[in-house]
Amino acid sequence: GEDVEQSLFLSVREGDSSVINCTYTDSSSTYLYWYKQEPGAGLQLLTYIFSNMDMKQDQRLTVLLNKKDKHLSLRIADTQTGDSAIYFCAERLGGADGLTFGKGTHLIIQP
Amino acid sequence: GAVVSQHPSRVICKSGTSVKIECRSLDFQATTMFWYRQFPKQSLMLMATSNEGSKATYEQGVEKDKFLINHASLTLSTLTVTSAHPEDSSFYICSARGLQGMGEQYFGPGTRLTVT
Repeated sequence: GEDVEQSLFLSVREGDSSVINCTYTDSSSTYLYWYKQEPGAGLQLLTYIFSNMDMKQDQRLTVLLNKKDKHLSLRIADTQTGDSAIYFCAERLGGADGLTFGKGTHLIIQP
Repeated sequence: GAVVSQHPSRVICKSGTSVKIECRSLDFQATTMFWYRQFPKQSLMLMATSNEGSKATYEQGVEKDKFLINHASLTLSTLTVTSAHPEDSSFYICSARGLQGMGEQYFGPGTRLTVT
């Protein structure tokens, strides 16, 4: 199966919280990342978490890592129309250089 | 900080020609640069990793003679798609990793290649 899995779509109402989930299979992941991609653009690094951390918060973004279940989530508080994008979860394995990406979750904001 | 640029942003070329894409780290030195390829509605697939001054390391299934990578300085890497074919049409994205921080990668805006 895929190394990194994400749901393809998430729809939320403006002002609500969005929670984007990601699962990975390799327990040797050292860093886990969340990237945002707007239409026709490159990837913007949103945040990352080291594998020995459980939680990281940065303004409206909260990352939770459950290493036992190999589950990563990104919570966006007070979701705005500008948050509409594709969100990619990525892992960096120990000893590896490149990142392994999930297929991305398309966040759709309803007015 | 940590800005990565790519040039060109969009290119259309004829089948059989070669195309060069540049990736630059504008405000930091990138010891390692990465080239990814993204098909429509798909994830990014790592093509190769290049370290300044040495040969690139290609991922399995990526033809090194077709996708030539040069990383001549700490701020510039180039990807040349040789003898391009329509199936090479894709979105090519580079990223750069600097000496500082936690080794995070910063991505360029991407180059849309269309081979006719």
